[in-house]
Amino acid sequence: DSGVTQTPKHLITATGQRVTLRCSPRSGDLSVYWYQQSLDQGLQFLIQYYNGEERAKGNILERFSAQQFPDLHSELNLSSLELGDSALYFCASSPPEGSYEQYFGPGTRLTVT
Amino acid sequence: AQKITQTQPGMFVQEKEAVTLDCTYDTSDPSYGLFWYKQPSSGEMIFLIYQGSYDQQNATEGRYSLNFQKARKSANLVISASQLGDSAMYFCAMSRIKAAGNKLTFGGGTRVLVKP
Repeated sequence: DSGVTQTPKHLITATGQRVTLRCSPRSGDLSVYWYQQSLDQGLQFLIQYYNGEERAKGNILERFSAQQFPDLHSELNLSSLELGDSALYFCASSPPEGSYEQYFGPGTRLTVT
Repeated sequence: AQKITQTQPGMFVQEKEAVTLDCTYDTSDPSYGLFWYKQPSSGEMIFLIYQGSYDQQNATEGRYSLNFQKARKSANLVISASQLGDSAMYFCAMSRIKAAGNKLTFGGGTRVLVKP
């Protein structure tokens, strides 16, 4: 158990819908990262928050957005869903300083039908 | 931009033998980190080992060791005494090393199957 929690574990929804994925980082970690794992694109970085502020952006679609709240949990919002958004979405967190490894949550498997 | 290449899509290894997973990288950053993650069939990503670009010694964590050859830009993972539970996908990744912003760039992965 990495200490990072993600809910829900599985999500099945229809095209055009909107969903919210939730992540709680490990205790003491200030950074939260979101990654998408799909068969065709592999593992891709989406976005990072550090202590409530957006710090880096990757291949995140405009239909996707995220935020990190004062209690450091983060949410990834996916809207106008398409079939191609079906993927495993991971959240990871890392310590504020001194070490660089990222600890991943169990992931949310999103299926768009 | 950073790039990670894992040229072995899949491999078999006999239980109790050692296996080496290849990873080469490309970056123009002077300071970077290299990581290996394991993804079993259950789907979670498990951190295995980290090597900093300025670390003088190769990293080791239990049965995992990272063979870091900076001049060749390679960061191969060695798993000693393979166990059935080592069957999984293995991903090599890298990041810049800077305060509060270290997104990971992943390779395509290598699937390992340990045979009894």
